[in-house]
Amino acid sequence: KQEVTQIPAALSVPEGENLVLNCSFTDSAIYNLQWFRQDPGKGLTSLLLIQSSQREQTSGRLNASLDKSSGRSTLYIAASQPGDSATYLCAVPHQTGANNLFFGTGTRLTVIP
Amino acid sequence: EAQVTQNPRYLITVTGKKLTVTCSQNMNHEYMSWYRQDPGLGLRQIYYSMNVEVTDKGDVPEGYKVSRKEKRNFPLILESPSPNQTSLYFCASTSWGEYTEAFFGQGTRLTVV
Repeated sequence: KQEVTQIPAALSVPEGENLVLNCSFTDSAIYNLQWFRQDPGKGLTSLLLIQSSQREQTSGRLNASLDKSSGRSTLYIAASQPGDSATYLCAVPHQTGANNLFFGTGTRLTVIP
Repeated sequence: EAQVTQNPRYLITVTGKKLTVTCSQNMNHEYMSWYRQDPGLGLRQIYYSMNVEVTDKGDVPEGYKVSRKEKRNFPLILESPSPNQTSLYFCASTSWGEYTEAFFGQGTRLTVV
């Protein structure tokens, strides 16, 4: 059974720092990996979707990488801002189907002004 | 605007009183699903639907029912809620395929007393 782990569970950084969030998964036979952001009371927002054939995906200050063979993905946030404070979740397709998602427990990020 | 809408956002109910949480999407997506989120356990899939009249169990289906009579709607039904169903619930929708982004509703916080 797929297991998705995100370490650390919580992270505090001063504003302006670059940071890396980690996601590891046990079953490397995945079609894609998604990173989400969760804000209290606002649900989940998809940040980046990396297809299995890709190694990186970028959106603004965010860069996500995927290494299927090692079962790892990272989310790099450049020049962090207080508005980046949120919980970040990674998700991979569930064994029941590509459109079912299996989530990690998330990393709660606080960017201190 | 692409949206997944859940109602209600907050609900407090008593044990055994049937309730329905509605979910509607405006993107003509084939695929919809329900998740619950609990501290330390992350998001876990309850039920999913691949199209109208096609539903199947996720990882934690006990105590829940769903129906998919129309493509846009996917209600979650708790016939006899119990306190262990107190949780944060999310509805999601995606178009069919391996490389498609998931859209989530804003969540329903349910408390069963």
